[in-house]
Amino acid sequence: QLVESGGGLVKPGGSLRLSCAAAGFDFGHYTMNWVRQAPGQGLEWVSSVSSNSISLHYADSVRGRFTISRDNVRNSLFLQMNSLRVEDTAVYFCARESVGGHYDDDSGYEYYYYMDVWGKGTTVTVSS
Amino acid sequence: EVVLTQSPGTLSLSPGERATLSCRASQSVSSGHLAWYQQKAGQAPRLLMYDTSARATDIPDRFSGSGSGTDFTLTISRLEPEDFAVYYCQLFGSSSHTFGQGTKLEIK
Repeated sequence: QLVESGGGLVKPGGSLRLSCAAAGFDFGHYTMNWVRQAPGQGLEWVSSVSSNSISLHYADSVRGRFTISRDNVRNSLFLQMNSLRVEDTAVYFCARESVGGHYDDDSGYEYYYYMDVWGKGTTVTVSS
Repeated sequence: EVVLTQSPGTLSLSPGERATLSCRASQSVSSGHLAWYQQKAGQAPRLLMYDTSARATDIPDRFSGSGSGTDFTLTISRLEPEDFAVYYCQLFGSSSHTFGQGTKLEIK
């Protein structure tokens, strides 16, 4: 349902644009995320974009170098990566963010969030 | 920024045993903002739990989540061979979605 593409080998300082094609759900209604995983390391959240593209967020490690965007007509998510560094080498996953809520007697209405649909990832290697 | 610390880093157990994985936040967080994922080698993460204690679709009831404030726990009541993997907790913040560093659950 989510298929990433655009990964590859790039030299330090170079650029790359990742894409994520969505199918099987109403893409335009969901916040979408990019999450990466360096070789042998844990998961690192990279960026998110709200359904209407108004709210954009970035990890400190990529802010100012990466730009997230989406096209709700083409059901696609993008990550433009500039000024790439060796430490950006990773598998990049796109993930759908879902939200729900319930009423709590003590605190009122509470929202909950989770990433429930993930792509298989695309590999980015930054090396000279 | 809230930091999530998972412990232990590696947990060595045998099938049939009970696993208890911890996720501690550097400050109090809303239970609704805490989720757990399972990741096997070469695969994408899979959602296990959300809202601290709600199981995701098709997740067996041997998995349970609990906690509040700064301390959260994922428990696997009776380990099956397919449960040996890496587990991550995640916090959904207002401007970032932090992951813990992961706990590797390995066969003893």
